[in-house]
Amino acid sequence: GQSLEQPSEVTAVEGAIVQINCTYQTSGFYGLSWYQQHDGGAPTFLSYNGLDGLEETGRFSSFLSRSDSYGYLLLQELQMKDSASYFCAVRGPRRSNRKLIWGLGTSLAVNP
Amino acid sequence: KAGVTQTPRYLIKTRGQQVTLSCSPISGHRSVSWYQQTPGQGLQFLFEYFSETQRNKGNFPGRFSGRQFSNSRSEMNVSTLELGDSALYLCASSLGSTLNYGYTFGSGTRLTVV
Repeated sequence: GQSLEQPSEVTAVEGAIVQINCTYQTSGFYGLSWYQQHDGGAPTFLSYNGLDGLEETGRFSSFLSRSDSYGYLLLQELQMKDSASYFCAVRGPRRSNRKLIWGLGTSLAVNP
Repeated sequence: KAGVTQTPRYLIKTRGQQVTLSCSPISGHRSVSWYQQTPGQGLQFLFEYFSETQRNKGNFPGRFSGRQFSNSRSEMNVSTLELGDSALYLCASSLGSTLNYGYTFGSGTRLTVV
């Protein structure tokens, strides 16, 4: 079937850099998005990659390689407030009617 | 501008009952999608609507249904509730139906089935 794989948990310290990977099992997906969700809050949109390469938004960057069905979210200069769950999402191939597919999320813990 | 509004925020229902949840998207947004979120299960996709048409449906039983109205407001209905339906139900809206627009989520409706 179609699924996204993300690490379930990542731990890092303040000021460090962390990379959260997202791999897609079936080729032909369209675009990759990242969302952040704090405990008790709603997911919020972070970034979108429609083409291969790196997109940078402040401390956060997102990368996509469509040929490898792989992407990642890079968080730099980590702050305590970055402790949250991070979800990747893609729109599946045409044969799936471009169904939205979400990863199970990566729980990031930033320690002092 | 107002965000995505979901009502009610909290709901307690008994097994076997049915429930209707409401979602008012951001003004001008035509795409609405629904998700079920439980601890450890991430965001489970329920449905996606665009201009009153269901574009996609997730792998949920037929007890879960939804619709979108001409003003883009959406409702989802769950019939014959089961204990396992207890979850946070999130609605998200977007200008279009492609990921590049980004989805704005509501705060969700927390449903407890007892």
